[in-house]
Amino acid sequence: DIQMTQSPSSLSASVGDRVTITCRASQTLSTWLAWYQQKPGKAPKVLISKASTLESGVPSRFSGSLSATEFTLTISGLQPDDFATYYCQLSGTFGQGTKLEIK
Amino acid sequence: QVQLQESGPGLVKPSETLSLICLVSGGSVISDTSFWSWIRQPPGKGPEWIGHVYYSGTTTSAPSLKSRVTISVDTSQNQFSLELNSLTAADTAIYYCARASFIKNDYGDYNWYFDLWGRGTLVTVSS
Repeated sequence: DIQMTQSPSSLSASVGDRVTITCRASQTLSTWLAWYQQKPGKAPKVLISKASTLESGVPSRFSGSLSATEFTLTISGLQPDDFATYYCQLSGTFGQGTKLEIK
Repeated sequence: QVQLQESGPGLVKPSETLSLICLVSGGSVISDTSFWSWIRQPPGKGPEWIGHVYYSGTTTSAPSLKSRVTISVDTSQNQFSLELNSLTAADTAIYYCARASFIKNDYGDYNWYFDLWGRGTLVTVSS
C-alpha cells in the first residue's frame, strides 16, 4: 500500500500570508495526487487534481506542484475563507491532514 | 448538474450490518470515466477510502476493509450501495458517497481522485 506523509499537521498564518503544505508518497508511480479543502460539517472539496491542475471555480491563489517525490500545495495571499483543513490524496490513500488556523 | 445523496440508518447495533444507498441525480452512473465510491471519516479524523464500483459491477475495496465490504451498483435505479458487516464502535463515522475520475496508468494500475461528493451521513454504532 502507498503511504502518504503530510506536513505540517497544523499551521498558523495571517491573512495575506503565503503558506505551503507538503505530501510525500512512499511510492511515486503516479502524479494523480489531489488536494482537498474541508470546512467543519462539510464534505471535502477538491482544489487541485493531477498534482497541479486547478479545478473549475477554485481561486488562482491555490497552486500545486511536484518536485521529485514531494507534492506541494501553495496558497498565495491567504484569505479569511481559506482557514480550513487540507488533505492530499493519492488513489486509495489520504494524507493525515493540515489544519490551517488564523494567527 | 450531478448530485449525490446518501441514505440509510443513523444508528446501527454492534455486530450488525450497515446498508447505505447513494442516489445519483442529474447524470448517469453509466460512465466510462467514473468510479462510484464510498469514503468515511471518523469524528475528528481524516477521510478513509472504503471502495468503489464501476457501472459494469466491478469493485475494488480497501485491503483493511475488504473482508467486510460489499459495494454494488443498480443502473436501472441510478444508484449504488454499500454494505459493511460485523460492525464495531470503530466504524462510527460520517459516510460519504463520491464520484471518482480515473485513469489507467502506464503500469496497469488505476489512479483516481474524487471530484464530486455527497453531503455525508453520520452512522453511529452503539447498542
